[in-house]
Amino acid sequence: GENVEQHPSTLSVQEGDSAVIKCTYSDSASNYFPWYKQELGKRPQLIIDIRSNVGEKKDQRIAVTLNKTAKHFSLHITETQPEDSAVYFCAARYYGGSQGNLIFGKGTKLSVKP
Amino acid sequence: DAGITQSPRHKVTETGTPVTLRCHQTENHRYMYWYRQDPGHGLRLIHYSYGVKDTDKGEVSDGYSVSRSKTEDFLLTLESATSSQTSVYFCATGQEHYGYTFGSGTRLTVV
Repeated sequence: GENVEQHPSTLSVQEGDSAVIKCTYSDSASNYFPWYKQELGKRPQLIIDIRSNVGEKKDQRIAVTLNKTAKHFSLHITETQPEDSAVYFCAARYYGGSQGNLIFGKGTKLSVKP
Repeated sequence: DAGITQSPRHKVTETGTPVTLRCHQTENHRYMYWYRQDPGHGLRLIHYSYGVKDTDKGEVSDGYSVSRSKTEDFLLTLESATSSQTSVYFCATGQEHYGYTFGSGTRLTVV
């Protein structure tokens, strides 16, 4: 089945710096890659997604890139702020079963220091 | 999101007792999911549903069962709770080809 690897597991940056989180997936048939942000004690929330027919997508300070050949995708956060501190999850939609379910990476805990 | 609610929010139960968690949605989404979240493991799929009475197993389904008798409700049952099932449980809904919306979660402690 699909396997999603996420790195690093923890990331600490200074406010204003950039942060990059990387994920790899195993199933070349996967075609949808969302990113979720989970603040402490809260639910995961979708922040950005990308489909396999697009190489890059931006939304203000966040961007996601996808390399289908290498089967990896990355989240880029620029000009980080303390409120960006959270756990971030990547996911890939896997079609190995009867439905396309999301398989999640194990998460990256991002800490932004003022 | 107000469109998906989980109950209860917190529960403490004893080993060996049955437990049912409820997920209710008002979005009329076809797909519903149950995940568990544990430190170091991220979000792992327990069971999912692709319609009324249509359910299937996820990667960590042992010890869990589900039922979906109405579009809006998806129940997760632990037939005989064990300490290894202490976790935070998230329900999610989704539409085909899009991401999921998660509920607020249920923190379950099995003592």
